[in-house]
Amino acid sequence: DSGVTQTPKHLITATGQRVTLRCSPRSGDLSVYWYQQSLDQGLQFLIHYYNGEERAKGNILERFSAQQFPDLHSELNLSSLELGDSALYFCASSVGAGAGTDTQYFGPGTRLTVL
Amino acid sequence: AQSVTQPDIHITVSEGASLELRCNYSYGATPYLFWYVQSPGQGLQLLLKYFSGDTLVQGIKGFEAEFKRSQSSFNLRKPSVHWSDAAEYFCAVGPPSNDYKLSFGAGTTVTVRA
Repeated sequence: DSGVTQTPKHLITATGQRVTLRCSPRSGDLSVYWYQQSLDQGLQFLIHYYNGEERAKGNILERFSAQQFPDLHSELNLSSLELGDSALYFCASSVGAGAGTDTQYFGPGTRLTVL
Repeated sequence: AQSVTQPDIHITVSEGASLELRCNYSYGATPYLFWYVQSPGQGLQLLLKYFSGDTLVQGIKGFEAEFKRSQSSFNLRKPSVHWSDAAEYFCAVGPPSNDYKLSFGAGTTVTVRA
């Protein structure tokens, strides 16, 4: 158990809908990262927040957005969902601001299925 | 741009035999290097990491990895695998700077036969 929690574990929804994925980082960690794991794209970095502020963006679609709240939990919002958005979404957390030596600890993931 | 290659998609190994998983990276400087394991239905667990210093790194669960700068490789090894080592293994790299993003390889699935 990494100490990172994600809810829900599974999510099934229809195309065009909007969903929110939630992540609580390990106690004391200030950074939250979101990743998408799909069969065709593999594991891809989406976005990084540190202490409430966006620090880095990766391959995140404009239909997707995220935020980190004052209590440091984070939410990933996915809207206008398409079949291709079906994937496993991971959250990770780390102590620092994302320096190279900052180890990321991963949550169990949320499996999103878009029908 | 940094990239990670894991040449082997799937490896089958007998229980008790040795295991080596290959990882090659492409980057202008020496990146920070990681190996993660993902068991079925689970998140990613960090096995070991290399930042600098001794090129042979020891990790959890009896795994080790060796950084070879001349070959741009960071191969993972275990002398004797257990059935519980069946999982997917990911090599990842991050640039030695702030605001780094981990780039992952495609993963290697390990099957352990009795």
